[in-house]
This record gives sequence, C-alpha cells and structure tokens, in this order.
Amino acid sequence: EDQVTQSPEALRLQEGESSSLNCSYTVSGLRGLFWYRQDPGKGPEFLFTLYSAGEEKEKERLKATLTKKESFLHITAPKPEDSATYLCAVALGGWGKLQFGAGTQVVVTP
Amino acid sequence: GAVVSQHPSWVICKSGTSVKIECRSLDFQATTMFWYRQFPKKSLMLMATSNEGSKATYEQGVEKDKFLINHASLTLSTLTVTSAHPEDSSFYICSARDPGQGGDTQYFGPGTRLTVL
Repeated sequence: EDQVTQSPEALRLQEGESSSLNCSYTVSGLRGLFWYRQDPGKGPEFLFTLYSAGEEKEKERLKATLTKKESFLHITAPKPEDSATYLCAVALGGWGKLQFGAGTQVVVTP
Repeated sequence: GAVVSQHPSWVICKSGTSVKIECRSLDFQATTMFWYRQFPKKSLMLMATSNEGSKATYEQGVEKDKFLINHASLTLSTLTVTSAHPEDSSFYICSARDPGQGGDTQYFGPGTRLTVL
C-alpha cells in the first residue's frame, strides 16, 4: 500500500534556528514528490517537485532533497513568515493524483 | 504563472439545497483537474479526478450523485454539492495540472469554505 509519512507533526523554531522536515514514502513507481506550503484557510502553495534520487532544489531559505525512500525539506535561518504547514505529496497512477502526508506545522518565533 | 482561482471563496447554505463551486486555471490549459476536501487540522483528501470532456473518476467512498463534477473546458471544472447537509460542511480545494510544467505538478486554488446550516 502506498504511504506518505511526515515527521515531526509540529515544529517550533526560534528565528534563525535551522531545521529539517522529513517525508518518508513507500510507493510502487514514484512519478514525482512534491512539497507545498499551506497557510491557514488557504490552498496549498507549490514549492518544489523532485523526480529522482539525488535531486535537490532551492528557493530562498528552503532546500528540498530526495533519496530513494525519503525527502527532506531544510529550512535555513527561518523567519516568522516561514510559519506554515508544510505538506509532502507523491504522484500516483495514470493521472498523477497526489497522495499527501499529514503535514508538519512549523511555527517560527521572533 | 500557473494561477488557479476558485469561486466562491465561502458559501453558507441551508440543508437540502445545492451549491456549485467553480475552479478555473487562469493562465494555462488544464486537461486534468482534481477536487479535494480538507477537514480542520487534517491533510487534503482527494475526492475525484476530472478530465476535460469525460466523466470524473471518483475515489472510493465518495458519492458520485452527491458530488457532481463537470469539466466542460480546458480551463473550467465545477463541483456541485447536491442536497447538502451539515456533514458536507468542509473546505473544498481544487487543483489543476499544468502539462507545460513537466507533467505532474499541480497548482491549487485558494479553496472554498462551505457551511451547511
């Protein structure tokens, strides 16, 4: 059975305190792994797509990496505006439907 | 680029009435759109996959007759919640896959908050 597991469930950081979020997956035939950011009451905002092990992508203070079993989202020197729920998803099936993990809620305090 | 809109952003209706939610891809053509439901403090749950010009594919446990999906054009999909009841109250989010962005990347709308009284 295809599964996506995110950890930790919640993360509280001081401004400037770097950390990493984990997304482990077991799927038959990975078509792509996606990271999104979601603010309360809003739709998910696209961050990254990763397709193959060893791939890395960066955007501002965020960096996503991918191995054969998991992906990490590294947050470097976070700011309060980085507070959000970060969602990991994998694409499945012929239409590429997404299966989401439960998310990691990140709170960055000044 | 890759902007998806939803309308309305929120709606309140009486039990037994039907509600239509629109999802539009504003700057790209989306052959495939998806509809999700999200409960408070929970992750997104896929309801159905919508392909332009064909019938939607529903996930197991989702009632086809209650949640009607129409994908009439390459930029518009609609979700109609028929005979809505309080248990249908939720946050509904659509997404669209942009084939020009390398295949499977989905871009999400801002969501629609449905409250059924």
